[in-house]
Amino acid sequence: QKEVEQDPGPLSVPEGAIVSLNCTYSNSAFQYFMWYRQYSRKGPELLMYTYSSGNKEDGRFTAQVDKSSKYISLFIRDSQPSDSATYLCAMTRGGSYIPTFGRGTSLIVHP
Amino acid sequence: KAGVTQTPRYLIKTRGQQVTLSCSPISGHRSVSWYQQTPGQGLQFLFEYFSETQRNKGNFPGRFSGRQFSNSRSEMNVSTLELGDSALYLCASSLDASGSVNEQFFGPGTRLTVL
Repeated sequence: QKEVEQDPGPLSVPEGAIVSLNCTYSNSAFQYFMWYRQYSRKGPELLMYTYSSGNKEDGRFTAQVDKSSKYISLFIRDSQPSDSATYLCAMTRGGSYIPTFGRGTSLIVHP
Repeated sequence: KAGVTQTPRYLIKTRGQQVTLSCSPISGHRSVSWYQQTPGQGLQFLFEYFSETQRNKGNFPGRFSGRQFSNSRSEMNVSTLELGDSALYLCASSLDASGSVNEQFFGPGTRLTVL
């Protein structure tokens, strides 16, 4: 079993939908949680990061961490076709900054 | 400000050959990390260099090696290529490795195909 599990999808939604992307993890030492977006033929770009449990909002994006359940989520409101990409979760242990990545979820937002 | 650049963007090699990939980090960034990305395994950490020293290493065989130069540019080398080495190789640079959250900026990657 991988340390970080993420459903590869694809997840297909209509424009304007609320999207929920999720990851589970097994190592309770993870403290920093990140979401990356990767467009086709590009490298990943950091969208958001959170420390420990709680919510963080940035525009249409909300990151949520539930450490008791070892579960993190990224919500995208009012999804747009330009949000179509692969979303990767990543997390790091305290004292280490090398992230462990999920496999990524492919999101398709159709007009 | 220029982003992370990687060369070449695409590469085709045959089994048994060796390959060298290059990465130029963002100006001022001293940490360079290398990752292998495949559909089956996702993004896997290879190694990280900071000030010309390898500081962290992932779980890859010794065929994978790297180095960093005084100008922070980095190269990675794969010797005796195997079919399973076909992947997107990503380089990421960051300003300071000591931060609690390391914001890494990724390059576009080098797509390596081994025939």
